[in-house]
Amino acid sequence: AQSVTQPDIHITVSEGASLELRCNYSYGATPYLFWYVQSPGQGLQLLLKYFSGDTLVQGIKGFEAEFKRSQSSFNLRKPSVHWSDAAEYFCAVGAGYGQNFVFGPGTRLSVLP
Amino acid sequence: GAVVSQHPSWVICKSGTSVKIECRSLDFQATTMFWYRQFPKQSLMLMATSNEGSKATYEQGVEKDKFLINHASLTLSTLTVTSAHPEDSSFYICSARVAGDSTDTQYFGPGTRLTVL
Repeated sequence: AQSVTQPDIHITVSEGASLELRCNYSYGATPYLFWYVQSPGQGLQLLLKYFSGDTLVQGIKGFEAEFKRSQSSFNLRKPSVHWSDAAEYFCAVGAGYGQNFVFGPGTRLSVLP
Repeated sequence: GAVVSQHPSWVICKSGTSVKIECRSLDFQATTMFWYRQFPKQSLMLMATSNEGSKATYEQGVEKDKFLINHASLTLSTLTVTSAHPEDSSFYICSARVAGDSTDTQYFGPGTRLTVL
């Protein structure tokens, strides 16, 4: 069965600094990979996804993620963080069409002014 | 596109009553919808998978008689919490897959906060 780890429970960065959120997965084949963001009391918004092709994926709000098969990772990056990026970020893995997601535990991002 | 709504956004009820939560795909057809539960500062826990026109598939440990799921159309799934108790208080989130989308992407609703007194 697939699993997802997000090693960082909470990250604090200063506004304007760069950001990298880590995601590692365990799955035998090439998974479908997703990053979602959740603001307090809200649902999840899709930031980006990878399912095939170019391993560097661009998403909304200036985020990007890179799939590295050799490291079983799908880290999320942003070159310059804005205060509005403060939220909870979830990495998710899909095992293939029609299969359910497995979510990571989430990383809470705080942004200092 | 791919907007999912939930109603109500929050609800307070007395212990022993039933509560219905609606999940709608507003601009697409969703053959599959999912219901999650989220506790404070935790990740999402999948409760059940709902396919249009068939019975929902519940995850292990989820009481199907307590959490009734109906997916009567390609745009609507409902979750009814029957005989609610305080321990059912939680944040419930639904998601939906676009019919024919081979990438498995799930689009999430804004969630429903349930408080049982």
